[in-house]
Amino acid sequence: GNSVTQMEGPVTLSEEAFLTINCTYTATGYPSLFWYVQYPGEGLQLLLKATKADDKGSNKGFEATYRKETTSFHLEKGSVQVSDSAVYFCALSEQPSGYSTLTFGKGTMLLVSP
Amino acid sequence: EAGVVQSPRYKIIEKKQPVAFWCNPISGHNTLYWYRQNLGQGPELLIRYENEEAVDDSQLPKDRFSAERLKGVDSTLKIQPAELGDSAVYLCASSGEEGLANEQYFGPGTRLTVT
Repeated sequence: GNSVTQMEGPVTLSEEAFLTINCTYTATGYPSLFWYVQYPGEGLQLLLKATKADDKGSNKGFEATYRKETTSFHLEKGSVQVSDSAVYFCALSEQPSGYSTLTFGKGTMLLVSP
Repeated sequence: EAGVVQSPRYKIIEKKQPVAFWCNPISGHNTLYWYRQNLGQGPELLIRYENEEAVDDSQLPKDRFSAERLKGVDSTLKIQPAELGDSAVYLCASSGEEGLANEQYFGPGTRLTVT
């Protein structure tokens, strides 16, 4: 079956540091890949996505590249802010289009200090 | 545009009691999902609706869980009777047009504590 593995947290950084959160996946077909973010007390929000190999998703300074050869979708940001503190979830969907369910990783908590 | 609305936000009940959660998806979204998120874990799908039809309920524990979406809009998830292991956050999500079908919009969730 499909699965997503994320690096364990918490990841603790100082403001303006470089961020990488690793994500690898196992899928039988050609999935779409997603990063969701969950701020304290809120629901999950879509941060970025990529639907095919070598696509780069980007949003709010975050980016991730769909790497089929390494089955990875690592999240990066060049300079984090305190407001980026949240839990980040990597997820995949079996079908690139059409209605499908999401398989999530366990989440990685990011804590950014001033 | 209003997001996905869920109520209540928090619920504390004793084991063996019933409990119900309500979700109103984004207007126009035909697909509705219920997920369960255990502490320190990612969400896991319980059931997915296309309009009023449950098209994927393979992960719903049918002995005690039930769900309905009678008019293809809002939905209710029920647990009867609740067990200690049901303590979790129950998330509702919805998605719309086919081209953006994978972009699921999540509500804030209902945090259930069973004592």
